[in-house]
Amino acid sequence: EDQVTQSPEALRLQEGESSSLNCSYTVSGLRGLFWYRQDPGKGPEFLFTLYSAGEEKEKERLKATLTKKESFLHITAPKPEDSATYLCAVRADSWGKLQFGAGTQVVVTP
Amino acid sequence: ETGVTQSPTHLIKTRGQQVTLRCSSQSGHNTVSWYQQALGQGPQFIFQYYREEENGRGNFPPRFSGLQFPNYSSELNVNALELDDSALYLCASSYDRGGTEAFFGQGTRLTVV
Repeated sequence: EDQVTQSPEALRLQEGESSSLNCSYTVSGLRGLFWYRQDPGKGPEFLFTLYSAGEEKEKERLKATLTKKESFLHITAPKPEDSATYLCAVRADSWGKLQFGAGTQVVVTP
Repeated sequence: ETGVTQSPTHLIKTRGQQVTLRCSSQSGHNTVSWYQQALGQGPQFIFQYYREEENGRGNFPPRFSGLQFPNYSSELNVNALELDDSALYLCASSYDRGGTEAFFGQGTRLTVV
């Protein structure tokens, strides 16, 4: 059965303190790995899609990387506005179902 | 802000009642998926609609049903509501079934009492 596990569950950072979030997955045939940011009570906001091992994507202070078994979301010099829950999801079917992990809640303090 | 809008934003229902949630997809997107997100958990896939037909279904009972209209907007219907149905219901739209990006609406918070 396909599985997505995110770690840590929660992360507290000082402003400017860089860190990484992990998403490990077990799927039979990855057709995309997705990262989303979610603020409390809101819908997930799309960040990145990665398709193959070795691929990297960047957006402002965020950088996502992908290996054959896991993905990392690196947050460089975070600011308080980066506080959110970060969700990882995989697509194993051609028709679009996303399977999500439970998320990592990130709090960045000034 | 995405172009995906959901209504209502909040509602409270009594156990045993029926509810209809609505979603307008982003312009140019022909695929809509629905997810249920319980507090502290990741979203769980309910089903997907592609060009007005159900295209895939997650592990949810038949009392969860849906529709997609010619303009690609969609409805999620839940019958015989149970307390455990209390959750944030999310709609996501994408260009085609295997679209590279899926954009979510702000969600509908359903509370069953």
